[in-house]
Amino acid sequence: AQSVSQHNHHVILSEAASLELGCNYSYGGTVNLFWYVQYPGQHLQLLLKYFSGDPLVKGIKGFEAEFIKSKFSFNLRKPSVQWSDTAEYFCAVNARTGGFKTIFGAGTRLFVKA
Amino acid sequence: DGGITQSPKYLFRKEGQNVTLSCEQNLNHDAMYWYRQDPGQGLRLIYYSQIVNDFQKGDIAEGYSVSREKKESFPLTVTSAQKNPTAFYLCASSRTSGYSYNEQFFGPGTRLTVL
Repeated sequence: AQSVSQHNHHVILSEAASLELGCNYSYGGTVNLFWYVQYPGQHLQLLLKYFSGDPLVKGIKGFEAEFIKSKFSFNLRKPSVQWSDTAEYFCAVNARTGGFKTIFGAGTRLFVKA
Repeated sequence: DGGITQSPKYLFRKEGQNVTLSCEQNLNHDAMYWYRQDPGQGLRLIYYSQIVNDFQKGDIAEGYSVSREKKESFPLTVTSAQKNPTAFYLCASSRTSGYSYNEQFFGPGTRLTVL
């Protein structure tokens, strides 16, 4: 069965620190990969996605993620976080042969200290 | 504005009662989904539907039921058979073809508390 693992459940950073959130998945075939973000009191929304092509994808608000197929990973990065990045981040994977079922990770709560 | 609406935002029910959560979308998406979000467990899929009058069980369908009579609507009923119904419920939709067909758009959620 497919699964998605996010390594950190809670992360606390100071403003301007660099961020990397780990995400690994278990599926050997072709996948679509996503990072979603849930800001306090707001809808869950797409941060960035990978479908094909350049494995380094850029999303909104300066976030980027790199797909490393050999490591089954899709880690999220941001060079310098801001207080407004405080949110919960979810990695998600959809296997292209799995139809429309997407598997979500458990989420990582990021708190950025001002 | 296109989007997904869920109502109500907060819902309280007595144990043993069935309750129906509403989800409506005007994005013209074919696929719709229901997830349950619990702290530390991420989003778990309850049911999904790729087309009107058809739906499939997700990973935690026991104690829930759905219908998909209209493209825009995908209501979720939490039945008395659900052993631990208190949770935050999220509805989502997506296209089923074209680029980014699996990108999901989410509603604001309904927080259900069973007393």
